[in-house]
Amino acid sequence: GQQLNQSPQSMFIQEGEDVSMNCTSSSIFNTWLWYKQDPGEGPVLLIALYKAGELTSNGRLTAQFGITRKDSFLNISASIPSDVGIYFCAGQDNDMRFGAGTRLTVKP
Amino acid sequence: GAVVSQHPSWVICKSGTSVKIECRSLDFQATTMFWYRQFPKQSLMLMATSNEGSKATYEQGVEKDKFLINHASLTLSTLTVTSAHPEDSSFYICSARQGLIYNSPLHFGNGTRLTVT
Repeated sequence: GQQLNQSPQSMFIQEGEDVSMNCTSSSIFNTWLWYKQDPGEGPVLLIALYKAGELTSNGRLTAQFGITRKDSFLNISASIPSDVGIYFCAGQDNDMRFGAGTRLTVKP
Repeated sequence: GAVVSQHPSWVICKSGTSVKIECRSLDFQATTMFWYRQFPKQSLMLMATSNEGSKATYEQGVEKDKFLINHASLTLSTLTVTSAHPEDSSFYICSARQGLIYNSPLHFGNGTRLTVT
């Protein structure tokens, strides 16, 4: 099935730094979502975006639904060690398609 | 929040046997559930969409006779891997849509790690 283009593939940052990752698609989605997956577990929903241009925050996380409805970004401010994991973007219409994931490593 | 329970969390089986994985929505009704497969360090690949009371819709390349899906109630979908082979070893994850509208968020189970020996 169609996949989304998510970048970067991996990030190695120092604790306290800000993080930014994004997703693009050749198709329009009506909903963009961001999930975090820890090893051996299922993805956990972080933020859901429903309108083009929407900017939503969840604690230190901020995500935006692109105006064209073909892209979204996720920012994490002041990273901490527990932010480590894989972050997936997802575009949702009748079903859901995932990006390849961004593997985040935070050095204390 | 919405909880999706998946069972078992891990299973080891011998080649040629069948394995059933359950996905339950614990505090909401889910007319639609999805089954994904994930290989190490890769993203989730949609296998099939499970609809309560009707046949599942399979993605291209997924064998429906090998991966049997049953969605007999609004809170339970099952995936049966029939005649499992080592190449079927993977992490299988289900998700359920909370809410009736098509863009309601999906909530995921914790996955089932299948190892076929």
